[in-house]
Amino acid sequence: NAGVTQTPKFQVLKTGQSMTLQCAQDMNHEYMSWYRQDPGMGLRLIHYSVGAGITDQGEVPNGYNVSRSTTEDFPLRLLSAAPSQTSVYFCASSYSVDGSPLHFGNGTRLTVT
Amino acid sequence: AQSVTQLGSHVSVSEGALVLLRCNYSSSVPPYLFWYVQYPNQGLQLLLKYTSAATLVKGINGFEAEFKKSETSFHLTKPSAHMSDAAEYFCAALFGNEKLTFGTGTRLTIIP
Repeated sequence: NAGVTQTPKFQVLKTGQSMTLQCAQDMNHEYMSWYRQDPGMGLRLIHYSVGAGITDQGEVPNGYNVSRSTTEDFPLRLLSAAPSQTSVYFCASSYSVDGSPLHFGNGTRLTVT
Repeated sequence: AQSVTQLGSHVSVSEGALVLLRCNYSSSVPPYLFWYVQYPNQGLQLLLKYTSAATLVKGINGFEAEFKKSETSFHLTKPSAHMSDAAEYFCAALFGNEKLTFGTGTRLTIIP
């Protein structure tokens, strides 16, 4: 099993550009989520999904969109990149939200200049 | 407000010494609690979790944590530190909704 796969590993964007961070899992997990990690702030939840066709906002959703058309994929879209979105982004999945552990991808390091 | 607090953003211990990483939560109802570890340039991996069964939880790599309701704490310990334990450790809580809340992390350094 590949687990949770994130692409790309690194990305540099100019302010105002848009892009999509890809996330795919092959564990048939219902729950998927996106976090951003910034120094001294831990991980903050951006968006999450409890199943195909269902998404909801987390703690810091502004500037990001998500969709969940299949169980396997949960892309994160940056609509108009800003320097404040420079961060490391992690996708994570689990069977459900009842205490099942999260499985994390290896992250995407994004720099916005 | 419900929150997770990790005391100490950096902890250094000598190899072979006790590791103690502190985590407190703020909630009227005990949440599910987790400890995750992050090695450099990797995602997070689950060390252990508490889901209202035994209050002393054993995890991987010799780590364990004790849930203390009276202290709203879930501190992580390991009797004898190893060089390979150097990493960042995150405490997290599921407060009954669908959002796992993380603490700000503690970077553990092992001194040879």
